[in-house]
Amino acid sequence: QQPVQSPQAVILREGEDAVINCSSSKALYSVHWYRQKHGEAPVFLMILLKGGEQKGHEKISASFNEKKQQSSLYLTASQLSYSGTYFCGANAGGTSYGKLTFGQGTILTVHP
Amino acid sequence: EPEVTQTPSHQVTQMGQEVILRCVPISNHLYFYWYRQILGQKVEFLVSFYNNEISEKSEIFDDQFSVERPDGSNFTLKIRSTKLEDSAMYFCASRPLWGGGTDTQYFGPGTRLTVL
Repeated sequence: QQPVQSPQAVILREGEDAVINCSSSKALYSVHWYRQKHGEAPVFLMILLKGGEQKGHEKISASFNEKKQQSSLYLTASQLSYSGTYFCGANAGGTSYGKLTFGQGTILTVHP
Repeated sequence: EPEVTQTPSHQVTQMGQEVILRCVPISNHLYFYWYRQILGQKVEFLVSFYNNEISEKSEIFDDQFSVERPDGSNFTLKIRSTKLEDSAMYFCASRPLWGGGTDTQYFGPGTRLTVL
């Protein structure tokens, strides 16, 4: 089953903050966040691992609530360059060989 | 910085024709993947490949699809007899270590496949 992202779309003005959520019905080993601009490949932003470790970006942070199997991506002081579609990719670990199952995406639009 | 490359960037083919999409993963990576994205939809997993064999495949990856690592650098996806519904962007990805999902998957720029 694919993770569910919310909201589906966000519109911001430059400098505003946003939170994007990703929920899974299955136990997760890690959550991977990507940003994709129109017509381009997904670009890695952040990994969150079971146990709380995270690796990623400067102005982008995230959390992983293991009890709820939910991850949240926090975008602070948004810039025009943050516009794009954000996908979370869920990895169940074990024998899944790193396969990522992606959510449906959240479209973020930042206006001047 | 090393990156995954894919060729061609755009492939147009007639229904029923065979296509081969090519990828050059990052050189010290050991796991390779193909994903596809139908226009306006989410990215979907097709297949993972490790140690010269398929480690996992999705329901989409039927007998019409095959993958190969013909030499030490290329990783290919072949679609034997293309259908209209195969039209999508195909992404190759690679990651450095095996065992779990802790390592970043780096995506290539994609090949847009259009089946007429």
